[in-house]
Amino acid sequence: DGGITQSPKYLFRKEGQNVTLSCEQNLNHDAMYWYRQDPGQGLRLIYYSQIVNDFQKGDIAEGYSVSREKKESFPLTVTSAQKNPTAFYLCASHRTTGGGYKNIQYFGAGTRLSVL
Amino acid sequence: GQNIDQPTEMTATEGAIVQINCTYQTSGFNGLFWYQQHAGEAPTFLSYNVLDGLEEKGRFSSFLSRSKGYSYLLLKELQMKDSASYLCALSGAGSYQLTFGKGTKLSVIP
Repeated sequence: DGGITQSPKYLFRKEGQNVTLSCEQNLNHDAMYWYRQDPGQGLRLIYYSQIVNDFQKGDIAEGYSVSREKKESFPLTVTSAQKNPTAFYLCASHRTTGGGYKNIQYFGAGTRLSVL
Repeated sequence: GQNIDQPTEMTATEGAIVQINCTYQTSGFNGLFWYQQHAGEAPTFLSYNVLDGLEEKGRFSSFLSRSKGYSYLLLKELQMKDSASYLCALSGAGSYQLTFGKGTKLSVIP
């Protein structure tokens, strides 16, 4: 089955610690995204990548970092500089080639991050 | 920038019809998306409107009026499983990025 896998489902971070959230997709999608969702808020874009070895900051990139070394993988690191990391993190992807609507984003199941 | 407004919460009765509105202010966009998100789960794609008019998919329909800066999602024959948040999102002009509204939490009651 094709899809987007996020792990872990739940993650706890200690003060001063960096943590990495995994996102893997086997849909052969070029574009991948990381969003943060807080209660009562919409999804806010952290980082996105349209192609391997290239990525851009979204609206709330401070305190986060990403890499895109493989097409299938787009891990997100929440650094100690992110002072309020407790949130639901969602990874999404879509294709950028072929016919039809290309920009329909499909989401992983999410990672819920909490601070200890 | 893009500003998207949706009602925060709505309640409707099982079997009824409900319309969830989305108004926006933007300098330009490619199209408008609707996603469904059950509590604690990932958003799932419902519909995408590029042109003005109504798109129908079974019990769900979505409407777009670019001139009025307005869209709605229509849910017919409501079922208890339709209790979820419904997210309106714009796809930026010349970009694949999505800007999301805060979502409307729909509660379906017996």
